[in-house]
Amino acid sequence: QVQLVQSGTEVKKTGTSVKVSCETSGGTFSSYTFGWVRQAPGQGLEWMGTITPILGTTNYAQNFQDRVTITADESTTTVYMELSSLRSEDTAIYFCATSRTRDVFDIWGQGTMVTVSS
Amino acid sequence: QLVLTQSPSASASLGASVKLTCILSSGHSTYAVAWHQQQPGKGPRFLMKLHYDGSHTKGDGIPDRFSGSSSGAERYLIISRLHSEDEGDYYCQTWGTGIVLFGGGTKLTVL
Repeated sequence: QVQLVQSGTEVKKTGTSVKVSCETSGGTFSSYTFGWVRQAPGQGLEWMGTITPILGTTNYAQNFQDRVTITADESTTTVYMELSSLRSEDTAIYFCATSRTRDVFDIWGQGTMVTVSS
Repeated sequence: QLVLTQSPSASASLGASVKLTCILSSGHSTYAVAWHQQQPGKGPRFLMKLHYDGSHTKGDGIPDRFSGSSSGAERYLIISRLHSEDEGDYYCQTWGTGIVLFGGGTKLTVL
């Protein structure tokens, strides 16, 4: 049974960076695709990017292209999402998700609240 | 351009059935989609992957009350025998080369 456990709540100042982790247990880490999705207060789901460790590939949404970096550490089966140059509009819950078939997100993490203020 | 369109809201009575719709943009009518449920205050949960021909694969533990069907560019999530805990937001999701896309979501109210 694949499980995703994310790091805890973050409070950041505008202009700084945040790095959120997503630890995986069960399954075959390197062959899956992992994605990051965020949800601003009262809003819908917004895809940020994905990584497929076995292929060594990352894809980023155009809205975040210049500010987001997604990495994977196979030794700890952990995926990371770093968002830089934070602004107040980045206040949101950030979810990691995995796709065992490299298309649909079929397992979700519990979410990490990131609050950005001046 | 790949776009998913969902109605913002839907409602149905306890014990009844409801059909939620996700529409794929022109030129993308053969794409598969996923349906995700988000109950109030919780994270998303994968419900099913739904293909253009209506065949679908559900996530672990998803009740039989949840099913899917397709017609052309429309992908449907059908919930039968509505329970109060079915209330929440429902999102469809699709993917292309190097891109993942979500619909705007439908807020389902169980009356």
